[in-house]
Amino acid sequence: AQKVTQAQTEISVVEKEDVTLDCVYETRDTTYYLFWYKQPPSGELVFLIRRNSFDEQNEISGRYSWNFQKSTSSFNFTITASQVVDSAVYFCALSAGTASKLTFGTGTRLQVTL
Amino acid sequence: GAVVSQHPSRVICKSGTSVKIECRSLDFQATTMFWYRQFPKQSLMLMATSNEGSKATYEQGVEKDKFLINHASLTLSTLTVTSAHPEDSSFYICSASGQVTTYGYTFGSGTRLTVV
Repeated sequence: AQKVTQAQTEISVVEKEDVTLDCVYETRDTTYYLFWYKQPPSGELVFLIRRNSFDEQNEISGRYSWNFQKSTSSFNFTITASQVVDSAVYFCALSAGTASKLTFGTGTRLQVTL
Repeated sequence: GAVVSQHPSRVICKSGTSVKIECRSLDFQATTMFWYRQFPKQSLMLMATSNEGSKATYEQGVEKDKFLINHASLTLSTLTVTSAHPEDSSFYICSASGQVTTYGYTFGSGTRLTVV
C-alpha cells in the first residue's frame, strides 16, 4: 500500500521568508513517481514537479526547489523568498506509474502575509 | 497541449435528482481517467479509475450504483451522481492519463457540487 504523509497542516510565514514543506512517503514499488501540486482557492490543481524514483537529483525552478532523498523517503519542497501569491494548499502525491492512481498527502495550507 | 476540460464547474441540484459531470481530454487520447472527491479542507480521495471501453474500478467504500462512471471514448469520461443527497456535496475533479501527458496526469478544473 502507498502512503504519503504531510505532517504540517498549516504554515504561516511573512512575505520574503523561506519555507519548506515536508513530504514523507511509503511504497513497496521500486519504480514510482513523486509529485507536488498547488491548489489555490479556486480549486484547480497546478502541477509543480514530477520526480521518478531513479532520479535523486535536486531540482530548482525559480524560487522553488525540491529535495528528494530515498534514504529517508522524503521529497521536501522549499519556496525561497515567499510571496503572497504562494498562498495555497500544497499536495505531495505518489504513484507507481502514469496509468496508476495518485495517492495524495493530506496537504499543507500555506499562508503568506505581508 | 494536454488539456482536460471539466464541466460544469459549479452545480446546485435538489436532493433526489441526478447530476452528470463531464471530463474531456481536448488534445490527446486519455487511456485512463481518474475521478477524485475532495471535501472542504481535506485531501483528494480517489473514487474510481476507468479505462476506455471498460467498466470502472471503484475504490473501497465508493458506491458504484450511486456514482456511475462511463468512459465510452478516449476523450470523454462522465461521472453521474444518482439520487444526490446533501452529503454528496463536494468538489469532484477528474484526471486523465495518456501518452501525451508528459508528466503523467492532467487534471480538470473541478466541479463543485452542492445538493440542497
